[in-house]
Amino acid sequence: DTGVSQNPRHKITKRGQNVTFRCDPISEHNRLYWYRQTLGQGPEFLTYFQNEAQLEKSRLLSDRFSAERPKGSFSTLEIQRTEQGDSAMYLCASSLQGNEQYFGPGTRLTVT
Amino acid sequence: GQNIDQPTEMTATEGAIVQINCTYQTSGFNGLFWYQQHAGEAPTFLSYNVLDGLEEKGRFSSFLSRSKGYSYLLLKELQMKDSASYLCAVRDRGYGGSQGNLIFGKGTKLSVKP
Repeated sequence: DTGVSQNPRHKITKRGQNVTFRCDPISEHNRLYWYRQTLGQGPEFLTYFQNEAQLEKSRLLSDRFSAERPKGSFSTLEIQRTEQGDSAMYLCASSLQGNEQYFGPGTRLTVT
Repeated sequence: GQNIDQPTEMTATEGAIVQINCTYQTSGFNGLFWYQQHAGEAPTFLSYNVLDGLEEKGRFSSFLSRSKGYSYLLLKELQMKDSASYLCAVRDRGYGGSQGNLIFGKGTKLSVKP
């Protein structure tokens, strides 16, 4: 296993469309995190899973965002009815328990 | 509230030493992390402090003072490839007291010049 992978790497969509991103964590890692990063800012926490359980979700996260990790392995992040303000880099990270998090290459979303 | 402050930009010379400071005020604390992020790439883990003091890892060292809400990252023998953003992140307490998510600062963009 070479690390955390994310697909797609880039996504361009029109406002109002739904998009779904996938993250495959490091295989032995039981925790998986989603972050969003815009230019000049640090990553902003969205949600995290321990195995298949979603343990925490940012209070700032819109109801249009939903994440799943059905079998405790890969995870998907869906954004419904995208808005221009959703344009950002979406980063996934994984860790073994609460140890250091390893980040994937990210999915860059552009909403036109 | 949650607040993590670090300088926006710094410039240093190849071969020199640079110290990047980070101050934090968070509702919970369960460790402080430093990450390096090159432009257009994902953050990569550099160091972790949970107790007060200095942690050394090759050319990189990180210091923590919990009572002062203060950390710094020290980079020695700077190389051109060290030009990147350096992100300070505090780990929250998380669900049920377990180790939770990271709260990141905005990052310090370091430029290393010949």
